[in-house]
Amino acid sequence: GAVVSQHPSWVICKSGTSVKIECRSLDFQATTMFWYRQFPKQSLMLMATSNEGSKATYEQGVEKDKFLINHASLTLSTLTVTSAHPEDSSFYICSARTFAGGLDEQYFGPGTRLTVT
Amino acid sequence: GNSVTQMEGPVTLSEEAFLTINCTYTATGYPSLFWYVQYPGEGLQLLLKATKADDKGSNKGFEATYRKETTSFHLEKGSVQVSDSAVYFCARKNSGNTPLVFGKGTRLSVIA
Repeated sequence: GAVVSQHPSWVICKSGTSVKIECRSLDFQATTMFWYRQFPKQSLMLMATSNEGSKATYEQGVEKDKFLINHASLTLSTLTVTSAHPEDSSFYICSARTFAGGLDEQYFGPGTRLTVT
Repeated sequence: GNSVTQMEGPVTLSEEAFLTINCTYTATGYPSLFWYVQYPGEGLQLLLKATKADDKGSNKGFEATYRKETTSFHLEKGSVQVSDSAVYFCARKNSGNTPLVFGKGTRLSVIA
């Protein structure tokens, strides 16, 4: 089946530093990838939609200069949290969309837990 | 707007009990409806889905029927197991290149 990986699975960083999270579709090509943020005991909040080769579309209230998204290829999207602060601590989940086999499916990565100290 | 409302948890059941997790959606457009499951320490996995009214999605003993008249997509299982303990998310998706919109999730704990 389709597999989406994220790296790292968890990261601790100091306030003010930047952190990059990678999302890869391992066995399929994804023209669209989504980045979500999940707070404890809360739902997934869509942050942005990333299309390969174009700028990401950010949801209302999400700072595009703080959460930099790059979708460099059909199998890789990255989210960089710039100048991280403790309130950015959260669980970040990516999702990759594929139309392979005539289906429209969205597969999720295992998530990356970010802790900013 | 597009939203999904599901019952708040946590839900605690004994093994072999009947499970219902309610989910309703706003009647905007003709969405596809989904249930995702998140086991401890893992990513979301698609459990089942339905793409049009009266469709029934089923998987691993779980079922949900797309009810347009009540804008609902309740998840049911006749006999839960300890291994079903997880967080369950109801979600909707409009047609086209649009993202999934999730409910807040319901944590299920099944005790032996």
